[in-house]
Amino acid sequence: AQKVTQAQTEISVVEKEDVTLDCVYETRDTTYYLFWYKQPPSGELVFLIRRNSFDEQNEISGRYSWNFQKSTSSFNFTITASQVVDSAVYFCALRKETSGSRLTFGEGTQLTVNP
Amino acid sequence: GAVVSQHPSWVICKSGTSVKIECRSLDFQATTMFWYRQFPKQSLMLMATSNEGSKATYEQGVEKDKFLINHASLTLSTLTVTSAHPEDSSFYICSASGRWPSSYEQYFGPGTRLTVT
Repeated sequence: AQKVTQAQTEISVVEKEDVTLDCVYETRDTTYYLFWYKQPPSGELVFLIRRNSFDEQNEISGRYSWNFQKSTSSFNFTITASQVVDSAVYFCALRKETSGSRLTFGEGTQLTVNP
Repeated sequence: GAVVSQHPSWVICKSGTSVKIECRSLDFQATTMFWYRQFPKQSLMLMATSNEGSKATYEQGVEKDKFLINHASLTLSTLTVTSAHPEDSSFYICSASGRWPSSYEQYFGPGTRLTVT
């Protein structure tokens, strides 16, 4: 069975602060994929990143960065110099390597960035 | 590429009526489509998985006679909520997966907000 835990239900920061969203996962598969999605108030899921289990390199994309550590089964997401537009619900998700496999979502973290 | 549309984006219906939601992959062939339901302040809950031309596989606790899923073509899947009740009010999201652009991705539709009065 697969499981994704996002322990932070809500986070509130002031603009320009850095913020890290935690994600811990459980799986028995040796090959799997991890994802982060952003869900703004409109509801549409926005894909942010996909990482496969064999690639532990950290990734940076603009103000976004991801830290993948297999040793602790964590895939944390950091937003540097947060902005009001970053306010949204962020979901971490996990799926098997098999094509067409289902996604297992975490409960999501509501991030509010205040001006 | 990999655009998924949903129609309607929102719908209000009366209790006891049925409502159909369409999910289309606009620029790729979706061999697998997924239907999710999301209640306010909650995560996405997978309702069912459908492969083109096959019956949908429903998750435990999801009534297949109430939530009818049809995946008749490689670009269209429909979810029909039959005899809708207020507790069916939710945000319904579909996603699609195919060999292109990537068999490892699920591409999400914008969602349909259903309100049953």
